[in-house]
Amino acid sequence: EADIYQTPRYLVIGTGKKITLECSQTMGHDKMYWYQQDPGMELHLIHYSYGVNSTEKGDLSSESTVSRIRTEHFPLTLESARPSHTSQYLCASSLTGNTIYFGEGSWLTVV
Amino acid sequence: DQQVKQNSPSLSVQEGRISILNCDYTNSMFDYFLWYKKYPAEGPTFLISISSIKDKNEDGRFTVFLNKSAKHLSLHIVPSQPGDSAVYFCAAIPTNAGNMLTFGGGTRLMVKP
Repeated sequence: EADIYQTPRYLVIGTGKKITLECSQTMGHDKMYWYQQDPGMELHLIHYSYGVNSTEKGDLSSESTVSRIRTEHFPLTLESARPSHTSQYLCASSLTGNTIYFGEGSWLTVV
Repeated sequence: DQQVKQNSPSLSVQEGRISILNCDYTNSMFDYFLWYKKYPAEGPTFLISISSIKDKNEDGRFTVFLNKSAKHLSLHIVPSQPGDSAVYFCAAIPTNAGNMLTFGGGTRLMVKP
């Protein structure tokens, strides 16, 4: 059982607002990821980190930014939300090895 | 171009029968494959994986088969249960990609009582 937590689970915000999606894991995993999934579509990697102070962009271009100041924490920030950012955001982590564990996801709706 | 494809968007199976979910890939450099199960409004849950050096891996009711020559893998669920109803994602990790998963589009499985 993976211990990875995302907050908020559901959020509706207005256009132009700044939002930070929180992600924390208590497993000591060095690698963390953010995926984005639109309903009925595949998951796309938007950010990843291999450790503290390491962040990289993923396959799908995203206007969001991330930071990794502590091993257990990998927040994602949208400085100015737009309706096109409406989606499900999934945080994940892994140790050395091939299994990646996901959080329960954050559903963001921008109106 | 999508490197991992799940060509069936949905599958309906009677309880107790076998469910077979299929996945095709185009990149020969994938060396590890995983299946995830996802309920609505939840994150994906890891189910089972297989290394490219194997052709079968079994865990309880779940078996994954890999056919490298055909670049095809499948997930078999026997017997299927109503609680198995979910979206199933196939994912692959390329060689030296550091756990970077490439996902298929998912197949929605509905198991009817």
